[in-house]
Amino acid sequence: EVQLVQSGAEVKKPGESLRISCKGSGYSFTSYWISWVRQMPGKGLEWMGRIDPSDSYTNYSPSFQGHVTISADKSISTAYLQWSSLKASDTAMYYCARLWGDGDPDAFDIWGQGTMVTVSS
Amino acid sequence: IQLTQSPSSLSASVGDRVTITCRASQGISSYLAWYQQKPGKAPKLLIYAASTLQSGVPSRFSGSGSGTDFTLTISSLQPEDFATYYCQQLNSYSYTFGQGTKLEIK
Repeated sequence: EVQLVQSGAEVKKPGESLRISCKGSGYSFTSYWISWVRQMPGKGLEWMGRIDPSDSYTNYSPSFQGHVTISADKSISTAYLQWSSLKASDTAMYYCARLWGDGDPDAFDIWGQGTMVTVSS
Repeated sequence: IQLTQSPSSLSASVGDRVTITCRASQGISSYLAWYQQKPGKAPKLLIYAASTLQSGVPSRFSGSGSGTDFTLTISSLQPEDFATYYCQQLNSYSYTFGQGTKLEIK
């Protein structure tokens, strides 16, 4: 079964660092870009950035550039989303998703189950 | 590229035909996808390339459009269709989403 499995919920204090993970299985992990998507409580979906797991090349949304870091370890088929100093406004559900398409990108066809990050003093 | 969905919310009854629109701020050819999200769940892909139904998605869902104007139509609403729907553009690598349309039971 093709799936993305994310790490569990986190509760952190402002200023702390955090890395959450997204492990792919059932397919060739290096053949598809992985994106991260934020959903703040009661709000819509926001695309944060993407990574090519084959070479760790990344693109970021201007809204998130400099605030988060996306990385990957292809040896263990895992992508990461990292913060160096969390803020209360980072409280949200974070999803990873596989970017699928035959040549051109078509859609996010496989999604992780989401990781809830709560930042509170 | 900005995507604007309308309406933001919609009340309908089982069996109704409903249409949701998505307008792009500039042309995106057919690089548009539609997703369904239910509370507490990850989004689910319904349609890609503006009009291609994802495998396993019921045929009552259909998509159309190209350039800047797109529609998602549900031909006969079923109880399990009440959810929030999002469009997404994949024309440029900043893969923006629309703000969502919440479909509620009347």
